[in-house]
Amino acid sequence: GPKVLQIPSHQIIDMGQMVTLNCDPVSNHLYFYWYKQILGQQMEFLVNFYNGKVMEKSKLFKDQFSVERPDGSYFTLKIQPTALEDSAVYFCASSLGFTGGAETLYFGSGTRLTVL
Amino acid sequence: QQQVRQSPQSLTVWEGETAILNCSYENSAFDYFPWYQQFPGEGPALLIAIRSVSDKKEDGRFTIFFNKREKKLSLHITDSQPGDSATYFCAASLGQGTGSKLSFGKGAKLTVSP
Repeated sequence: GPKVLQIPSHQIIDMGQMVTLNCDPVSNHLYFYWYKQILGQQMEFLVNFYNGKVMEKSKLFKDQFSVERPDGSYFTLKIQPTALEDSAVYFCASSLGFTGGAETLYFGSGTRLTVL
Repeated sequence: QQQVRQSPQSLTVWEGETAILNCSYENSAFDYFPWYQQFPGEGPALLIAIRSVSDKKEDGRFTIFFNKREKKLSLHITDSQPGDSATYFCAASLGQGTGSKLSFGKGAKLTVSP
């Protein structure tokens, strides 16, 4: 099936540094998402993105977070500066939109971010 | 507040048995309930989904039973196979067009022993 690729699979950084998580969505998809999963907890919605703009963000999407997809390349999540509580697995997802009465999200395998 | 809860957290069944994974939710406005299957090292993949207007959705060996009044649903996997061993996530959303935010449960790890 369609694949969403996330790079890197693991990232370790020091608190206060900047980090960029990269996502290569399914090629013809138009809607993009980031979800965050703290160890042992459920995946939680962070933000969705369409046509170059954030559509909606949750309270977990702090001011230090930003997303973009310059010129149809990677969809990125940037955290600057990072904090200890940002340690989590970040999942990227993409979709074609609401078709056939539903929207199917395709997820990447996640980037495990460890902030020291 | 956790919007979607799953039980049990882990389940082991023998090959050929039926595995039953349970899910409950808080928001009565939730309309769309997908189940995602995740294998180690991979991302969650949509397995089967149901809308609140239905009480049952079947796809091969996988069936969702849905009880709107009790805000509960379950995933039944009949004739379980070792290849079904994975983590299963119940999710819910308002289902109103694109960008519907999914609320996920914590997942249930299923092990099917040969």
